[in-house]
Amino acid sequence: QSVLTQPPSASGTPGQRVTISCSGSSSNIGSNIVNWYQQLPGTAPKVLIYNNNQRPSGVPDRFSASKSGTSASLAISGLQSEDEADYYCAAWDDSLNGHVLFGGGTKLTVL
Amino acid sequence: EVQLVQSGPEVKKPGESLKISCKGLGFSFTNYWIAWVRQMPGKGLEWMGIVYPGNSHTVYSPSFRGLTTISADKSISTAYLQWSSLKASDTAMYYCARQIDVRGVDWFDPWGQGTLVTVSS
Repeated sequence: QSVLTQPPSASGTPGQRVTISCSGSSSNIGSNIVNWYQQLPGTAPKVLIYNNNQRPSGVPDRFSASKSGTSASLAISGLQSEDEADYYCAAWDDSLNGHVLFGGGTKLTVL
Repeated sequence: EVQLVQSGPEVKKPGESLKISCKGLGFSFTNYWIAWVRQMPGKGLEWMGIVYPGNSHTVYSPSFRGLTTISADKSISTAYLQWSSLKASDTAMYYCARQIDVRGVDWFDPWGQGTLVTVSS
């Protein structure tokens, strides 16, 4: 069971705005940055958001993210069919000599 | 183009050993940490550990310490993940990923294409 908690699923219709939450603790999200990764079906993950809210070049501005305290969230506006994927939050955890934690993942379905 | 190219799929029997690889292309391999991430069938991502090819320093996840060995050969820009005795529960897709570090902020980019390891009698 992941220490970063995400809802297992989310859904929306084209054009809608959806948000995905990621809840952690003081040893991870509370004291370190959060990154978000998108995994399209049958492909390797790719970075979607880094440093809490920064988009790499090539990522549409429909994707945004924020962090507050020990929680983070990813928002996707103007939902498109190609956004259907698994989304993972990730953060360094300071416990046990330090390690990276991934959230359990959220499967986004575009209805 | 910056990329990580992983070795091909493997089918092994329980108890066998295995070493899979991840070759870095298009960047200075010795200057970046390389991570290994497991994805069991139908499941999420799990960080296994990381290696710095410049000096072969490794950090393991508490969940994977002692179960696998992570290493690197900087002369050929390649990182490795190996098992001495595979179990059926090691069946998974394994990804390598380059860790970018900018002023204390780090993230994984790019990722390798993945190596599917199947362990079955």
